[in-house]
Amino acid sequence: SAVISQKPSRDICQRGTSLTIQCQVDSQVTMMFWYRQQPGQSLTLIATANQGSEATYESGFVIDKFPISRPNLTFSTLTVSNMSPEDSSIYLCSGLDSDGYTFGSGTRLTVV
Amino acid sequence: QKEVEQNSGPLSVPEGAIASLNCTYSDRGSQSFFWYRQYSGKSPELIMFIYSNGDKEDGRFTAQLNKASQYVSLLIRDSQPSDSATYLCAVRGSNYQLIWGAGTKLIIKP
Repeated sequence: SAVISQKPSRDICQRGTSLTIQCQVDSQVTMMFWYRQQPGQSLTLIATANQGSEATYESGFVIDKFPISRPNLTFSTLTVSNMSPEDSSIYLCSGLDSDGYTFGSGTRLTVV
Repeated sequence: QKEVEQNSGPLSVPEGAIASLNCTYSDRGSQSFFWYRQYSGKSPELIMFIYSNGDKEDGRFTAQLNKASQYVSLLIRDSQPSDSATYLCAVRGSNYQLIWGAGTKLIIKP
């Protein structure tokens, strides 16, 4: 199955700034998903990213806050914009291919 | 609202025993079911998926699906301390997104 490299692995950011998280896949995946996971909790889907079209956002998440790009079938980025301490979390990307769903290693974001 | 329910635990099992993890789902039309294991500070890793009613075995792991009862379970035989982790049940939605349960924390006691 696909292997996903996610960067950065962690970051500490000032409130009001933005952070872009990148996921690079070693093979083509049909769909990519972006999640947020608070410590001790399950995964919350932010949006689904398809190549060449606008991402589909889940309830409670908006494009202005979490813009996503998916320029090709092996790469996607998630930007967390105008960050506040409430955005502190682990962010995960996931790709779907014929073998199923695989995950990046996650980005631990702390907003101070 | 499509839901996936799991007991959050923790579930404590002696080493060498069988650990039984359970999951129920609300959408009767669901077709694909997944079990993931997540160690603290790590991303989820796939243990098994199951699509058909009945049992599916892979090494020490057995997934069981009962669509009539909307119930999927994961059995871990000969539990090892390294099996201590959070186990996440997920059901594939109509747009290929995964709908996740809250996860069950499993503790294997030596």
